[in-house]
Amino acid sequence: GAGVSQTPSNKVTEKGKYVELRCDPISGHTALYWYRQSLGQGPEFLIYFQGTGAADDSGLPNDRFFAVRPEGSVSTLKIQRTERGDSAVYLCASSLNARQGANTQYFGPGTRLTVL
Amino acid sequence: DAKTTQPNSMESNEEEPVHLPCNHSTISGTDYIHWYRQLPSQGPEYVIHGLTSNVNNRMASLAIAEDRKSSTLILHRATLRDAAVYYCILGDNYGQNFVFGPGTRLSVLP
Repeated sequence: GAGVSQTPSNKVTEKGKYVELRCDPISGHTALYWYRQSLGQGPEFLIYFQGTGAADDSGLPNDRFFAVRPEGSVSTLKIQRTERGDSAVYLCASSLNARQGANTQYFGPGTRLTVL
Repeated sequence: DAKTTQPNSMESNEEEPVHLPCNHSTISGTDYIHWYRQLPSQGPEYVIHGLTSNVNNRMASLAIAEDRKSSTLILHRATLRDAAVYYCILGDNYGQNFVFGPGTRLSVLP
């Protein structure tokens, strides 16, 4: 079946602009995660949704970052007033149910964000 | 901080077995051991997971120490397509996010 998809695959923006990154999880998966990966490092957690609500947003670096998942499926990560330090690959993952079993997460291909 | 430690890099020859070690001395009773790999310019790919017993699937085998403080991912016959960064991660069933370390970069030599 279809895996996790993310759009766009690449996004180039200018410092100070607003960007939205979209994630389509695997159908039926109730948990959705956003991670950020800088060059040469492992992914770093940003926020996790169980259904429509953000169950843990402790990884968001500051209030310029916000994410929504209004219908419990697609999620959008929003970054306001982008800075050059926001340049990274943003990864989305989904799992069937975060509170059952092994909570195996399936990752999308990521969106590469470049802030000029 | 990641709750696992792995060697930074390893090398293997093509068609030979590869044993990738991971230490997780602070593992709790509810933690599963997950392995993912990441090829260049791709998202992490699920490889295998286990709780207490050794596990096998079409991609790899996972050997878990009796005290669960370490584990080994086994690729039975390495191919050039197995060259990737391999991550060993602990996760529980309370919705906890994965904490990634730097992983092990595996190089496969022809």
